[in-house]
Amino acid sequence: QQQVKQSPQSLIVQKGGISIINCAYENTAFDYFPWYQQFPGKGPALLIAIRPDVSEKKEGRFTISFNKSAKQFSLHIMDSQPGDSATYFCAPKDGSSTLGRLYFGRGTQLTVWP
Amino acid sequence: DAGVTQSPTHLIKTRGQHVTLRCSPISGHKSVSWYQQVLGQGPQFIFQYYEKEERGRGNFPDRFSARQFPNYSSELNVNALLLGDSALYLCASSPGQVNQPQHFGDGTRLSIL
Repeated sequence: QQQVKQSPQSLIVQKGGISIINCAYENTAFDYFPWYQQFPGKGPALLIAIRPDVSEKKEGRFTISFNKSAKQFSLHIMDSQPGDSATYFCAPKDGSSTLGRLYFGRGTQLTVWP
Repeated sequence: DAGVTQSPTHLIKTRGQHVTLRCSPISGHKSVSWYQQVLGQGPQFIFQYYEKEERGRGNFPDRFSARQFPNYSSELNVNALLLGDSALYLCASSPGQVNQPQHFGDGTRLSIL
């Protein structure tokens, strides 16, 4: 069963615009909420992550917003650039075990037009 | 500092064969996880190892096995390959403490003919 639902599947944004990707989850045992960025031919790279005791985290142009009661979190990319064109995955971690496994969403393919 | 390294980068096999994929974690990282990424989908968890012990297993058949060595490197073995095993196999390492991020290698692209 799919524990993580990511939307949209694809997103086209003009340079300088705001990109917003959403992730909804069911498992209340998730305790760590990262976003990964993946370029073609490369492995996923950690972009930004948040813990459930915080509602928002900002790192440069990237912001995570977290809504624990709604079991949703989102990635906002401000001033989107062509170099941001990639596939983005939410991948919450199951905290029921010590190390935990990541549950990846299906991904969002972002295209930023110059 | 070197990141997670995986070998080989590409591999072509035929149905029924077996394959061994290798992973070297970031220096100092004691935990290694394996994921399968089918084209157009997100990675799916296969195994997690810490200090040479299996700490987690995903919903994959027994044809998939793995191990971790004393130097923390790891191997993923797949027997009796099927066409559906064609995928990018990713290795991720982490220090092993709670809530430490996982860092991924660039994967091994396995194609089954």
